Amino acid sequence: NAGVTQTPKFQVLKTGQSMTLQCAQDMNHEYMSWYRQDPGMGLRLIHYSVGAGITDQGEVPNGYNVSRSTTEDFPLRLLSAAPSQTSVYFCASSHGTADLMNTEAFFGQGTRLTVV
Amino acid sequence: AQKITQTQPGMFVQEKEAVTLDCTYDTSDQSYGLFWYKQPSSGEMIFLIYQGSYDEQNATEGRYSLNFQKARKSANLVISASQLGDSAMYFCAMRGLYGNNRLAFGKGNQVVVIP
Repeated sequence: NAGVTQTPKFQVLKTGQSMTLQCAQDMNHEYMSWYRQDPGMGLRLIHYSVGAGITDQGEVPNGYNVSRSTTEDFPLRLLSAAPSQTSVYFCASSHGTADLMNTEAFFGQGTRLTVV
Repeated sequence: AQKITQTQPGMFVQEKEAVTLDCTYDTSDQSYGLFWYKQPSSGEMIFLIYQGSYDEQNATEGRYSLNFQKARKSANLVISASQLGDSAMYFCAMRGLYGNNRLAFGKGNQVVVIP
């Protein structure tokens, strides 16, 4: 049972380059989200999705795009990378029942991104 | 908006001792869920324990318990009989309808268990 899979695990980008962080889950979860983790800042929500075709912005959405064409996949796109986007990125999923507020999130292993 | 506050500095705990990690929160929701996650140095996020806002009893999971004081809006994590493997960063989080069920995190508490 793979759970939430993120690729790649590590990435170095040059300023201005674009890339997509991949996230896939095999638990049939409706709710998926992307976080970034910076030292001393905890996890901050970038974008989230409540189901295929539905996405919304989180706390720090600027510089990132998302789409959700399938239940399983929720890629995060950096259109023009900046050094301020150097961070560890986590994808998470939750079972989107009516009781979502009482449901834990399952996390991927994280992607460590460095923008030089 | 939801806000989670974890302000304790890094903590050193003697092995086999208990440790309490503080978490206070602010929300306009009447119904919400509170969660604690552990992040060891390897980096993964591990779910530890959950407390519902209408649960009358404090949640427990093995050596983890949650000291929930709704009126004070606090949800402290208690780890009993600390082990070396408990050395990690610990995050308090919450979600509720007002925040569209987004999971909001505090900034974390660092715990180091010493033998």
